Amino acid sequence: AQSVAQPEDQVNVAEGNPLTVKCTYSVSGNPYLFWYVQYPNRGLQFLLKYITGDNLVKGSYGFEAEFNKSQTSFHLKKPSALVSDSALYFCAVRDALSDYKLSFGAGTTVTVRA
Amino acid sequence: GAVVSQHPSRVICKSGTSVKIECRSLDFQATTMFWYRQFPKQSLMLMATSNEGSKATYEQGVEKDKFLINHASLTLSTLTVTSAHPEDSSFYICSASRTGALSYNEQFFGPGTRLTVL
Repeated sequence: AQSVAQPEDQVNVAEGNPLTVKCTYSVSGNPYLFWYVQYPNRGLQFLLKYITGDNLVKGSYGFEAEFNKSQTSFHLKKPSALVSDSALYFCAVRDALSDYKLSFGAGTTVTVRA
Repeated sequence: GAVVSQHPSRVICKSGTSVKIECRSLDFQATTMFWYRQFPKQSLMLMATSNEGSKATYEQGVEKDKFLINHASLTLSTLTVTSAHPEDSSFYICSASRTGALSYNEQFFGPGTRLTVL
């Protein structure tokens, strides 16, 4: 079985401050991990993924995430948040040896105030 | 590359009618497509997985006779909501998985379709 937890429903930060969105996962084998962002009434936009290799993954719009196997975490970070980063963020995981299905976290709403 | 489109983006229909939603992979071939449903401010719920040329696999609790899925080609899957009722109102999102080595079966998501049943 595979699952994802996003412990924070909401994250509020001031523009220019660092942004962190937390994600922990559970899989039987090796994880494939993804972050997506969703704006109102839009589909999911891909931000970044971890498949293998370097634990620090850099993605779109200045976002990055660090894969931590011992803590089973894949937190999303941005050094300096923008108001336009305000959106709903989803973490997703798939077991590398499983079928195609992704398991999504419940989502975290990020609000960046000017 | 790896663009997925959905049509229509928004549809309003009367209760009892059927609605068809199309999902297309525009620049790649997708042997597998997925249909999700999302309620306001909630996560995505996988409804079914469709493989080109075969019957869709539905998740537990999803009525296959109500949500008809057809994946007739490597670039097109359709979801038909039959005899729609207000409780079927939701945001429907499809995704497509690209085949081939090093694809990691990654899913690429469409922009979603907002269905409102009056």
